[in-house]
Amino acid sequence: AQKITQTQPGMFVQEKEAVTLDCTYDTSDPSYGLFWYKQPSSGEMIFLIYQGSYDQQNATEGRYSLNFQKARKSANLVISASQLGDSAMYFCAMREEMRGGGADGLTFGKGTHLIIQP
Amino acid sequence: NAGVMQNPRHLVRRRGQEARLRCSPMKGHSHVYWYRQLPEEGLKFMVYLQKENIIDESGMPKERFSAEFPKEGPSILRIQQVVRGDSAAYFCASSPPSPQRAYEQYFGPGTRLTVT
Repeated sequence: AQKITQTQPGMFVQEKEAVTLDCTYDTSDPSYGLFWYKQPSSGEMIFLIYQGSYDQQNATEGRYSLNFQKARKSANLVISASQLGDSAMYFCAMREEMRGGGADGLTFGKGTHLIIQP
Repeated sequence: NAGVMQNPRHLVRRRGQEARLRCSPMKGHSHVYWYRQLPEEGLKFMVYLQKENIIDESGMPKERFSAEFPKEGPSILRIQQVVRGDSAAYFCASSPPSPQRAYEQYFGPGTRLTVT
């Protein structure tokens, strides 16, 4: 089974609108972390936001927020007031604590290609 | 994340040659991870290393691939006898040693390997 599922291969959004990128995950580990990364056409991976499984509040970083619904195993990324520069691939990723008891490799979804239209 | 250095940025190899990819982690980071990204795919974890130790290589192909992170110098991902299917972007990430910050993984710009 897929550990990270991103159901939207591509999205077109008008500039200045809010965007929600979907991510569901599958783990039996009680302790885990969820990440979102942005990959522009230049190829680098840019860290956006992190949510720990025990965090009580939804994570926010500027225009990015993570809508964490633990019971539904959902970690959607919300981008407010989208900009043309937000056009990129967006990847959801997870780290499961029990795998290595520490800093372990991330499991990535297949990504969503977001295109912001003027 | 600009602090993680990878070189070369682009590497072309003929089938059967060896590819060596280098990664210098951010200053003060002692954990290094290697990931592979095939075209139109997400990143796939390959190996996690600390200085002089391989901690988790569960994502590494069993043959032709090896990784090291020596006491001095960069981490090296080595692919022997490359095949066309090895063509991909290879990313390195590093994280700080403290457990409280272990979740922070900073990625390098990647090395694009093309096998002709």
